[in-house]
Amino acid sequence: DTEVTQTPKHLVMGMTNKKSLKCEQHMGHRAMYWYKQKAKKPPELMFVYSYEKLSINESVPSRFSPECPNSSLLNLHLHALQPEDSALYLCASSLTPDWSQPQHFGDGTRLSIL
Amino acid sequence: RKEVEQDPGPFNVPEGATVAFNCTYSNSASQSFFWYRQDCRKEPKLLMSVYSSGNEDGRFTAQLNRASQYISLLIRDSKLSDSATYLCAVNHRNTGKLIFGQGTTLQVKP
Repeated sequence: DTEVTQTPKHLVMGMTNKKSLKCEQHMGHRAMYWYKQKAKKPPELMFVYSYEKLSINESVPSRFSPECPNSSLLNLHLHALQPEDSALYLCASSLTPDWSQPQHFGDGTRLSIL
Repeated sequence: RKEVEQDPGPFNVPEGATVAFNCTYSNSASQSFFWYRQDCRKEPKLLMSVYSSGNEDGRFTAQLNRASQYISLLIRDSKLSDSATYLCAVNHRNTGKLIFGQGTTLQVKP
C-alpha cells in the first residue's frame, strides 16, 4: 500500500467545472510534488513544494493552481481545463527536497475532461 | 535528444531468464539515479536507488557508469510478476528535478 494518499481516484469533469485533487502523506516528508502522466509516457513534473513553499513551477498553465496548506497536504485546484488535460495526476513526496532523496508516489487521480 | 533515454522494448523473456536494461543520461550534472517499476494504470513504485558502487536487492542489481553516463538494471531468475514497465529517473544537483526516461516494458512469459 502506498503511503501517499490521493483523492479522488477518478474524476470526470466538464471544461467549465472547478474541482480539486488532494494528496496527503504522514511520513514527515517536507517536499511534495505534482506530476502529470499521459498514456505510454513518463511522468512529467508540474510543481514542487519545498517546506510548504512553491519552489518549482514547470511553466504550467494557470488553470492548474497548486496549494500546500500544511506539511502533510497538497492540493491541485482545477478550473477551465481542456480535453488535452485528461491524464493521470500523480502526487509524490520525499523526505527533503534534496536531490539525493527518492520520491514516493501516490496511486494517482485519473482525470477525464469532457 | 531526450535527457534520459531508454529502449522502450518490449523485452519478451521466458521465466527464469536474466534480463538487463540500460538507461542513458545526457546531463553530466546528474547526481542521483533511481529505478521505478510501473504496472499498467498504476503509480510508479520505487524499486531501488542506484549508488556509485552498485547495489543489489535480491534478484535485482543496479549499476552506475558515470564515465559513459548510463545506469543499468539486471533482473535474474525472472518471474511472471516482474512483467511491468521499468522507468529510470535522474535527479540533478542544480535543479532538484526528477527526470524520467520513457520506460522499458518487460513481459515475462511462462
